[in-house]
Amino acid sequence: GQSLEQPSEVTAVEGAIVQINCTYQTSGFYGLSWYQQHDGGAPTFLSYNALDGLEETGRFSSFLSRSDSYGYLLLQELQMKDSASYFCAVRLSGGSYIPTFGRGTSLIVHP
Amino acid sequence: DVKVTQSSRYLVKRTGEKVFLECVQDMDHENMFWYRQDPGLGLRLIYFSYDVKMKEKGDIPEGYSVSREKKERFSLILESASTNQTSMYLCASSPLDQNTGELFFGEGSRLTVL
Repeated sequence: GQSLEQPSEVTAVEGAIVQINCTYQTSGFYGLSWYQQHDGGAPTFLSYNALDGLEETGRFSSFLSRSDSYGYLLLQELQMKDSASYFCAVRLSGGSYIPTFGRGTSLIVHP
Repeated sequence: DVKVTQSSRYLVKRTGEKVFLECVQDMDHENMFWYRQDPGLGLRLIYFSYDVKMKEKGDIPEGYSVSREKKERFSLILESASTNQTSMYLCASSPLDQNTGELFFGEGSRLTVL
């Protein structure tokens, strides 16, 4: 089985840096993904970590540590438009390409 | 641009009605998925399909069925809608050999069952 834990809500101010954590318990997986979803919109793919370490894409970075069963999404230079829900997802091993999602973290960015 | 289109953004149905939610993708993807999204529960997989006429149950298939007669179309069917099926339904697709597990989502169908 598998489960992923994320904080339900995080708040921050414009220009700040925020980290959204994701811890998981799973018997085996290929990698950790992150998705962003604005209110009323579709989830959109942000990043994927197959290997341990940091992946950087502009203002967003994602980190994975398999030994700690832990990952995070780091958002820098926060903007109001970053207010959204963020989901981590694991792609399980065993030939399946099906991501299993966490419950999501609502990020609220204040002026 | 990749596109996943869900036929209805908002539906209101009555208890006991049969409900069809349609999803079409134009990316020639093999995999298609139906998730339901509820506040505080995240995205939960109902059914997925990796090929035409093939389907597999996800985590919460009870009360639902699916149909995949053509590669581009994946339908979710509620045989007899109930109020606890009031939810946001999200369709997604991905190619068979997707190494990242990236899914491409539709805009969602918000179903209310009265």
